[in-house]
Amino acid sequence: DGGITQSPKYLFRKEGQNVTLSCEQNLNHDAMYWYRQDPGQGLRLIYYSQIVNDFQKGDIAEGYSVSREKKESFPLTVTSAQKNPTAFYLCASSIWISQVGSYEQYFGPGTRLTVT
Amino acid sequence: GDSVTQMEGPVTLSEEAFLTINCTYTATGYPSLFWYVQYPGEGLQLLLKATKADDKGSNKGFEATYRKETTSFHLEKGSVQVSDSAVYFCALLRNTGKLIFGQGTTLQVKP
Repeated sequence: DGGITQSPKYLFRKEGQNVTLSCEQNLNHDAMYWYRQDPGQGLRLIYYSQIVNDFQKGDIAEGYSVSREKKESFPLTVTSAQKNPTAFYLCASSIWISQVGSYEQYFGPGTRLTVT
Repeated sequence: GDSVTQMEGPVTLSEEAFLTINCTYTATGYPSLFWYVQYPGEGLQLLLKATKADDKGSNKGFEATYRKETTSFHLEKGSVQVSDSAVYFCALLRNTGKLIFGQGTTLQVKP
């Protein structure tokens, strides 16, 4: 089965600790994304990567870091510099659909991070 | 910059009622438009899409038409079910492949 996996589903950390969220895809998609979702709000883009060994900041990158050493993997580290890290984190990947001339983006199940 | 605005929720309907969730956008050019659905505690699922003006996207009884003249992409369903209860997100696609999301609209369907 092709898809995007995120682990763990729930993660708890103490304030001041860095934490890394996993995202793996076996869809052979080139591009991958990290979003943050807060209650009652839409999704906000943290980082994205269009190709291995390259990534760009999104709209709210401060306090986060990523790496893209393999096509299948795009881990997100929430550092102690992130002031409000408690949120639902969603990973996505996308592919260009030539028949319609557009990208389609698919999402993982998410990781809920709670920092106390 | 590009943006998406959705009607505020929650929207509460009885089973078999007609559903409309409004979505309007601001963008340069003619972006592709999407509706995603999120069930409680889950990620987002692509519901339907439209890539050019006057296109109609449809899936699972839901429909949305890309209206260039009103910059809208309203989601409709003729007869909702309890299982349709979820959060619905409208989104536009920048030509870089990045999505811009609306704030989401919660739909509650009561039996």
